[in-house]
Amino acid sequence: EAQVTQNPRYLITVTGKKLTVTCSQNMNHEYMSWYRQDPGLGLRQIYYSMNVEVTDKGDVPEGYKVSRKEKRNFPLILESPSPNQTSLYFCASSPRGTNQPQHFGDGTRLSIL
Amino acid sequence: GNSVTQMEGPVTLSEEAFLTINCTYTATGYPSLFWYVQYPGEGLQLLLKATKADDKGSNKGFEATYRKETTSFHLEKGSVQVSDSAVYFCALSEGKTSYDKVIFGPGTSLSVIP
Repeated sequence: EAQVTQNPRYLITVTGKKLTVTCSQNMNHEYMSWYRQDPGLGLRQIYYSMNVEVTDKGDVPEGYKVSRKEKRNFPLILESPSPNQTSLYFCASSPRGTNQPQHFGDGTRLSIL
Repeated sequence: GNSVTQMEGPVTLSEEAFLTINCTYTATGYPSLFWYVQYPGEGLQLLLKATKADDKGSNKGFEATYRKETTSFHLEKGSVQVSDSAVYFCALSEGKTSYDKVIFGPGTSLSVIP
């Protein structure tokens, strides 16, 4: 089954404790992206990747890091999480760029205390 | 910069009512336009798309037409069902080779009551 898998689905942690949210897709897609969803703000793009070893900032990259060492994986790293990063996070992928529909994971709800 | 504006709702309709969710955009060039739907507890799913002016996207009884003259991409459905209750997002992508961002609207929450 074609899918985008995120882990964990839920996480409660404390300020400053490094965490990684994993994202994996099994569709051989070139394009992957991370979004955060906040009430009243919709989805905002954090980082995206056009292909292996190619990443770029979205609209809200501060406080986040990403890497794309393999085509299927695109982890989101919070080196020193803060409460304002409490949000619902989505990973998405598409075959080649955003002119094509994106496939979304089921989301990761992060709470930073 | 690019932007997407859509009515935020919440919108509450009775079953079989007509639905319109307005979406307007600001962009340079010729963006691709999308409607995504998010059911409770799930990620977004593509509902329909249009890639050039006057294209009409359609799926599951929903329709939207890419209107370049009014920079709009309004979502319509003739007869909504309870199962259509969800949050609907309008989005645009310029898909330039130098970068490839997507801009989403804030989402419109729809509740359909029996």
